[in-house]
Amino acid sequence: SAVISQKPSRDICQRGTSLTIQCQVDSQVTMMFWYRQQPGQSLTLIATANQGSEATYESGFVIDKFPISRPNLTFSTLTVSNMSPEDSSIYLCSVEDQGGSGANVLTFGAGSRLTVL
Amino acid sequence: AQKVTQAQTEISVVEKEDVTLDCVYETRDTTYYLFWYKQPPSGELVFLIRRNSFDEQNEISGRYSWNFQKSTSSFNFTITASQVVDSAVYFCALSEMDSNYQLIWGAGTKLIIKP
Repeated sequence: SAVISQKPSRDICQRGTSLTIQCQVDSQVTMMFWYRQQPGQSLTLIATANQGSEATYESGFVIDKFPISRPNLTFSTLTVSNMSPEDSSIYLCSVEDQGGSGANVLTFGAGSRLTVL
Repeated sequence: AQKVTQAQTEISVVEKEDVTLDCVYETRDTTYYLFWYKQPPSGELVFLIRRNSFDEQNEISGRYSWNFQKSTSSFNFTITASQVVDSAVYFCALSEMDSNYQLIWGAGTKLIIKP
């Protein structure tokens, strides 16, 4: 399976600031996904990022708040803009599995744990 | 609408006990996939299994086994002879076969294995 590196692994941010999370994959992948996991909660898909096209956002998430870049087949960034304490979450990057586990299987990074004060 | 229910918020057992994590799903689709993922304290979700709706055979992998029953819309996960390293949050998920990686996630069950 692909190996995903996320940076930062954790950060403490001030209200009103923005933070960019990086996701680097060790192989080329078509589809990359950004998830949010609020404390003690399940996963919520923020957007799907395909190289060469604009990200597709899920209901409740907008580009102004969560701008995403996908400059090539191995890299993506998610920015959390104008942060508030409600944005305190783990943000997870995931990609389509490359290890032969089959369709719709995702491989995940370790996540970026953001705390907004 | 699709939905995945993991009614057990948290389970605590003593090491070496067997434990079953429940997963009940709802879907109108006749073709779909079911998944289990493990999220240890490190945070990274680890894929455990994918089962398609055509295959109701139970699966065993070491101490892990899965019981898929379409009649009750359940896909339960059993850990035999649990170990401390099994402590994690376990997520059940569902997707349509042609959904292009759009998964519906359960709320997760936190499993605590006490030594």
